[in-house]
Amino acid sequence: AQSVTQPDIHLTVSEGASLELRCNYSYGATPYLFWYVQSPGQGLQLLLKYFSGDTLVQGIKGFEAEFKRSQSSFNLRKPSVHWSDAAEYFCAVGPNAGGTSYGKLTFGQGTILTVHP
Amino acid sequence: DVKVTQSSRYLVKRTGEKVFLECVQDMDHENMFWYRQDPGLGLRLIYFSYDVKMKEKGDIPEGYSVSREKKERFSLILESASTNQTSMYLCASGAFYEQYFGPGTRLTVT
Repeated sequence: AQSVTQPDIHLTVSEGASLELRCNYSYGATPYLFWYVQSPGQGLQLLLKYFSGDTLVQGIKGFEAEFKRSQSSFNLRKPSVHWSDAAEYFCAVGPNAGGTSYGKLTFGQGTILTVHP
Repeated sequence: DVKVTQSSRYLVKRTGEKVFLECVQDMDHENMFWYRQDPGLGLRLIYFSYDVKMKEKGDIPEGYSVSREKKERFSLILESASTNQTSMYLCASGAFYEQYFGPGTRLTVT
C-alpha cells in the first residue's frame, strides 16, 4: 500500500523568506503526485500536480515542486512567501496503476504554515 | 470552474441521531469521495463512488454509509452518531486523479 509522509507538522517562516515543504512517499512505482492547500475554514485547493515528464512542475500562486525519484520525494517550494500563504498544505499520491483505482488519493498528515510579518 | 457544494458548513447533532451530509457537484464527474479530517491525521477516506449506485469502502468506513442515486449527488450517512464522529467532513469529486473539494462540514456530536 502507498503512504505519504510530511515530516514537518508545523513550519514558521518570515514574510519574504523562501519556503520548502517536504513530502516523501512510499510506493512501488512512480505515482501521481499532488500538492493541495487549505486556507482556514475552507476546502482543499489543488496547487500543482505531477503525472510524468519534466520533474519540476509549476503551480498556482507562485509555487513549484520537484519530483526526485531517487529520494521518493516531491517537495513544494516558493522563493518568497507572502502572509496570505499561511495555510495547511497537503501532499497526496495516487497509484499509477490504471484500471480500478478510481482516482483515489492517499494524503499526508499536512503541514501547517505560519508566516511572520 | 468546478463547484462542489456541501449542505451545511456547521452541524450539531446528539448522540444516536441519524445524520445526513449531502454533497453536490456540477462537473459531471464519475468519481466522488467522502473524507474526514482530524488534526494531525490528514484526510482519511471514508467511502467513494465511481458511478451512480456504485460505492466502495475507503480506509475508515465503520459507522458510515453512503448513497449515490444521481451522478451529481453523493450523501454520507451516520446511522447513529457518536461523539467520536465529531470531525470535519470533506466531499470531493474528480476526473482521473484530480479531485475538487467542497468547503467542508464541521460536525459536532454531543
